[in-house]
Amino acid sequence: SQQGEEDPQALSIQEGENATMNCSYKTSINNLQWYRQNSGRGLVHLILIRSNEREKHSGRLRVTLDTSKKSSSLLITASRAADTASYFCATARIIQGAQKLVFGQGTRLTINP
Amino acid sequence: DAGVIQSPRHEVTEMGQEVTLRCKPISGHDYLFWYRQTMMRGLELLIYFNNNVPIDDSGMPEDRFSAKMPNASFSTLKIQPSEPRDSAVYFCASRRTGGYNEQFFGPGTRLTVL
Repeated sequence: SQQGEEDPQALSIQEGENATMNCSYKTSINNLQWYRQNSGRGLVHLILIRSNEREKHSGRLRVTLDTSKKSSSLLITASRAADTASYFCATARIIQGAQKLVFGQGTRLTINP
Repeated sequence: DAGVIQSPRHEVTEMGQEVTLRCKPISGHDYLFWYRQTMMRGLELLIYFNNNVPIDDSGMPEDRFSAKMPNASFSTLKIQPSEPRDSAVYFCASRRTGGYNEQFFGPGTRLTVL
């Protein structure tokens, strides 16, 4: 079963605007990761936030994590046409001593020029 | 440095045929993962290996699916016999112990079973 649930399922905004995607999960996690998938391609890791962190930045990306609410958000500032892709959150848990990732269904982001 | 390599990129086969998907992980990575992606079920972990040993195959849908990793640089996912409901994109990913914990994905194999 899917651990992460992304919201919204699809988002369409104008270039230059900010895009916010949310992820909720059900069980305790070791860390939470965000990945991007361009159409017809594999997933690319964007950013990782550990369970004891609340916010993390990487370039135009900002990720927050609220473990009490079991939720995370990914903010992309000053969006560009090249940001058009599907974005997935993945929750990481340690099972049998190894990290296992469970992916959500993804948010399809479209940036209109 | 080459990323994760998968072959073939596209596979079209008829129901009942054997299908073999191949993956070469990034050199030095000791974990290898096989995922399946469909519109209905999203991205599902099928099986993963650590140091060439299968650790968790609980995601393998049924006995028609099998995976091997004979050495650190090669893995196969086999479906025999294939069925139309196996149509999906199959991804291989790898990572190394410690480090940043990120997984590196291959470009995927799009499988169509007619």
